[in-house]
Amino acid sequence: EAGVTQFPSHSVIEKGQTVTLRCDPISGHDNLYWYRRVMGKEIKFLLHFVKESKQDESGMPNNRFLAERTGGTYSTLKVQPAELEDSGVYFCASSPLGGQGLKDTQYFGPGTRLTVL
Amino acid sequence: QKEVEQDPGPLSVPEGAIVSLNCTYSNSAFQYFMWYRQYSRKGPELLMYTYSSGNKEDGRFTAQVDKSSKYISLFIRDSQPSDSATYLCAMTGTWGTLTFGKGTMLLVSP
Repeated sequence: EAGVTQFPSHSVIEKGQTVTLRCDPISGHDNLYWYRRVMGKEIKFLLHFVKESKQDESGMPNNRFLAERTGGTYSTLKVQPAELEDSGVYFCASSPLGGQGLKDTQYFGPGTRLTVL
Repeated sequence: QKEVEQDPGPLSVPEGAIVSLNCTYSNSAFQYFMWYRQYSRKGPELLMYTYSSGNKEDGRFTAQVDKSSKYISLFIRDSQPSDSATYLCAMTGTWGTLTFGKGTMLLVSP
């Protein structure tokens, strides 16, 4: 079974540019999460989709970040315009609805390393 | 005060040593506790998952939760160089989204 995949693995952009990150969850996983790790800090939650609906977006830092999940499958996270403080590693995670008896066992992708210059 | 405190290390041990990794937390609403292992340039990989206070064992790994002290631990017996990685504690309540510690970098030397 394929795991969570993320694209690109690394992106370097200039301040003010736009970047779109993509996440493909494990097939059949209705829960999809975005997290971010800024250098020197802990991994922090950004938002949570259940199928195509945003369940919780309380972690989104500001309105420069826009997340979508088309048809309840893959998700994109767009940063527009990017700022220096947006640099970090963006992780996507997915889990099945109901979690096979385990609360929210999330499977993580390898992350996208974003560098804003 | 951070919700989850974890010493970032690095923690260096010789091969075969018993390793103890720990996290403390402040939010009593946390009910589910996980340990993730993360190798360099990879995503976190779930190692252990516990719900109640007490111990849970899986091979060389033992996870321990003390809810009264808000303290969780991961023990690694007979540590191997391949165990060298960053270990992240994570926890959640009924809402499901994870709150992480900073992670502890573990280095096991041959």
